[in-house]
Amino acid sequence: NAGVTQTPKFQVLKTGQSMTLQCAQDMNHEYMSWYRQDPGMGLRLIHYSVGAGITDQGEVPNGYNVSRSTTEDFPLRLLSAAPSQTSVYFCASRSRAGSYSNQPQHFGDGTRLSIL
Amino acid sequence: ILNVEQSPQSLHVQEGDSTNFTCSFPSSNFYALHWYRWETAKSPEALFVMTLNGDEKKKGRISATLNTKEGYSYLYIKGSQPEDSATYLCAFISDSWGKLQFGAGTQVVVTP
Repeated sequence: NAGVTQTPKFQVLKTGQSMTLQCAQDMNHEYMSWYRQDPGMGLRLIHYSVGAGITDQGEVPNGYNVSRSTTEDFPLRLLSAAPSQTSVYFCASRSRAGSYSNQPQHFGDGTRLSIL
Repeated sequence: ILNVEQSPQSLHVQEGDSTNFTCSFPSSNFYALHWYRWETAKSPEALFVMTLNGDEKKKGRISATLNTKEGYSYLYIKGSQPEDSATYLCAFISDSWGKLQFGAGTQVVVTP
């Protein structure tokens, strides 16, 4: 009963390093998204995808890249890490059954990322 | 700037008391309003998905109402228990792609 799986759970990077946060779901959900969570800011959408091969920007996309080559996987890449990207990152997925709006979202456990 | 506002930011409730709090959102371009419960050290879990003006949803002691014309939703907790302690997030959808705009949450602490 895996649901949405994120790896790693914790990561410390130095400024300028790159890395990929992994996200996989086993529910055959079309819609996947990445959020960052900062104190007082709520969850902010970074990028989202409505299916394999289709991605689009969210509210705060700068400094991040995504791709969606399969339905299951939606990795988030930090191109050149900056201290401002220190945050907790959540991956989420949901079904399109009916419409994108009326299906609940399923979240992963989060990745806590610190950039020194 | 958050288009979705939740108030209060936090509240403390005695065990057994009932409480409620608000989610405000733009009244135009409404597609759906979601509520999520987020316990410390866990990930958010869906409580309700509300799509129609006047919707009322209930799960156990927790219920929610929706007014899309005036742009607000209330979440109610009846007879609060310590296990209700969590941050409650609402999220508004205003486009057909279903992008969720989250509020900052209301943190509820229930003390025995």
